[in-house]
Amino acid sequence: DAGVIQSPRHEVTEMGQEVTLRCKPISGHDYLFWYRQTMMRGLELLIYFNNNVPIDDSGMPEDRFSAKMPNASFSTLKIQPSEPRDSAVYFCASRGPGGHNEQFFGPGTRLTVL
Amino acid sequence: AQSVTQLDSQVPVFEEAPVELRCNYSSSVSVYLFWYVQYPNQGLQLLLKYLSGSTLVKGINGFEAEFNKSQTSFHLRKPSVHISDTAEYFCAVTGGGNKLTFGTGTQLKVEL
Repeated sequence: DAGVIQSPRHEVTEMGQEVTLRCKPISGHDYLFWYRQTMMRGLELLIYFNNNVPIDDSGMPEDRFSAKMPNASFSTLKIQPSEPRDSAVYFCASRGPGGHNEQFFGPGTRLTVL
Repeated sequence: AQSVTQLDSQVPVFEEAPVELRCNYSSSVSVYLFWYVQYPNQGLQLLLKYLSGSTLVKGINGFEAEFNKSQTSFHLRKPSVHISDTAEYFCAVTGGGNKLTFGTGTQLKVEL
């Protein structure tokens, strides 16, 4: 299994531009999580899906952030418009059924907004 | 709700020395506990987890952790560290729901 796949690995953009981050979870996993990691705030859960349905988006910082999961093998996190304070590493993780199961993390997307 | 405290932001240690990374949690319900490791420019990887049963849990790369319910702790230990163990270590807790609550991380720096 290739694990969780994220693209791009690095993204540099200018303030005001739209940014789309992509994630392919592990096949058969029914939970998908989006996290943001910064030095100041550590690892924050932004949103998670179960069977492609958003369950909890309370961590999404602003309306500029949106996430979708059109099918079991693909999810996007979009920022529009982007701001310098959005610079961070964004991780996607997936998990099989069961609250105690391991979350498998992707390698992350390092976003820099100039 | 659960919370996790990792008091040590950085732990320097010499190679082949033992190390303990501290983790304390708070929760009003029974918990599942995890330790993840993050190597530079990589995602998080599971080291070990406590679900139930024996309070001493063994993980990958020679790490182990002990669940102490009375002290609400889940400290991570390794008897002899290697340079390759240099990484950031995160303790995480869940009450059986779907959300993991992570600590702020401990940077382990192994020196020659």
